[in-house]
Amino acid sequence: AQKVTQAQTEISVVEKEDVTLDCVYETRDTTYYLFWYKQPPSGELVFLIRRNSFDEQNEISGRYSWNFQKSTSSFNFTITASQVVDSAVYFCALSEALSGNTPLVFGKGTRLSVIA
Amino acid sequence: EADIYQTPRYLVIGTGKKITLECSQTMGHDKMYWYQQDPGMELHLIHYSYGVNSTEKGDLSSESTVSRIRTEHFPLTLESARPSHTSQYLCASSPPLPWGNEKLFFGSGTQLSVL
Repeated sequence: AQKVTQAQTEISVVEKEDVTLDCVYETRDTTYYLFWYKQPPSGELVFLIRRNSFDEQNEISGRYSWNFQKSTSSFNFTITASQVVDSAVYFCALSEALSGNTPLVFGKGTRLSVIA
Repeated sequence: EADIYQTPRYLVIGTGKKITLECSQTMGHDKMYWYQQDPGMELHLIHYSYGVNSTEKGDLSSESTVSRIRTEHFPLTLESARPSHTSQYLCASSPPLPWGNEKLFFGSGTQLSVL
C-alpha cells in the first residue's frame, strides 16, 4: 500500500532563513510519481512539482529545490532565503502508475510560518 | 491553468438539512475528486470519478453521495447534514495523462459549518 509521511507538522522560521520540508514515502510499485503542493491561506492547493521514479535528478526552480533519493524513499523540499509569502501548508503526494486506478495519496502536510 | 469552480465558498446550515456542494471545471478533464480537509490539515479522499457515469468511494467513510452526469460537473450531496460534517471540502480535477502522472487542479474549496 502506498503511504506518504511528513513528520514535521509545523515549522517556523525567520525570513531569509533556509528551510527543508521532509517527505518519506512507501510504495511497492517501481513506477510512481511524487508531487509537492502548496496551500496558502486562501485555501486552494497549488501544484509545485512532479517527479517520476526514474528521474532522480534534483531540481531547482528559483528559491525552491527538491532532493529525490530513492535509496531513502525521500523527496525533500527546500526553500532558500524564505519569504513571508512562503507561509503556507505544504503537501507531499504519491501516485502509483502500475497499481490500477488509484488516486493521489497525500501526506498530512507541513505548516510553514515565515516570520518577518 | 485549469479553471475549476466551487460554490458556495462558505455555507452555514442547520442539522438535518440536505445540501449540495457544486464543482465545475471547464477544461474537459475526465478525472474529478472530492477531498475533505480536517482542521489538522489532513486531506481525505471521499469520492472520485474517472468519467461520466463513473463514481467511486474514497478512503474516508462518508455519508455523502456524488454524481457525474456531465464531464464538467461533479456535485457532492449530503442528504442530512450533521455537525460532524463541518469541514473544508475541496474539489479537484486532472487531465487524461497516463496513470500516476496526473497533475491535480484544485478549486478554492467550500467551508461547511453545520450547527
